[in-house]
Amino acid sequence: EDQVTQSPEALRLQEGESSSLNCSYTVSGLRGLFWYRQDPGKGPEFLFTLYSAGEEKEKERLKATLTKKESFLHITAPKPEDSATYLCAVPSRAYTGGFKTIFGAGTRLFVKA
Amino acid sequence: NAGVTQTPKFQVLKTGQSMTLQCAQDMNHEYMSWYRQDPGMGLRLIHYSVGAGITDQGEVPNGYNVSRSTTEDFPLRLLSAAPSQTSVYFCASSYSGGITDTQYFGPGTRLTVL
Repeated sequence: EDQVTQSPEALRLQEGESSSLNCSYTVSGLRGLFWYRQDPGKGPEFLFTLYSAGEEKEKERLKATLTKKESFLHITAPKPEDSATYLCAVPSRAYTGGFKTIFGAGTRLFVKA
Repeated sequence: NAGVTQTPKFQVLKTGQSMTLQCAQDMNHEYMSWYRQDPGMGLRLIHYSVGAGITDQGEVPNGYNVSRSTTEDFPLRLLSAAPSQTSVYFCASSYSGGITDTQYFGPGTRLTVL
């Protein structure tokens, strides 16, 4: 069964303290991997799609990387406004012939000024 | 564009009551879906639709019905609410339902079933 596991569950950083979030996945035939950001009380907001191992994408202080077994979201010199839950997801074929997106439980990031 | 809109934002039901969660998008997207989000469990797919008149089940469809009579609207019906359906519900849409299409999410409906 396709699965996505994110770690840590929560991460507390000081402003400027760089770190990484991990997303490990088990899926038959990786077709892509998504990262989303979710603010409290709001819906997830798309950040990146990575398509193949070795690919990297950047947006402001965030950089996402992908290997054959996991993805990392690196946060460089974070600011308090980066505080949010970060979700990782992979597309998976549904048994009915369509597809579904499998989400991880997320990492809650807190950045203190 | 308003994007994906959901109503209501909050709802409290008693066990056995029925209700409809509304979802609309103005981006002319073919693919729409409903998820529920529970603490520690991530988002789980309830139902999805690849176009008007076409719907299918996701991971956790029991207790929910959907229909798609127009491209814009995708309501989710709770037939007989149960406490296990207490959750935050998100509607999402994407352009064509391609497996790596970007999904756009609504703001969510927080449902409590007593």
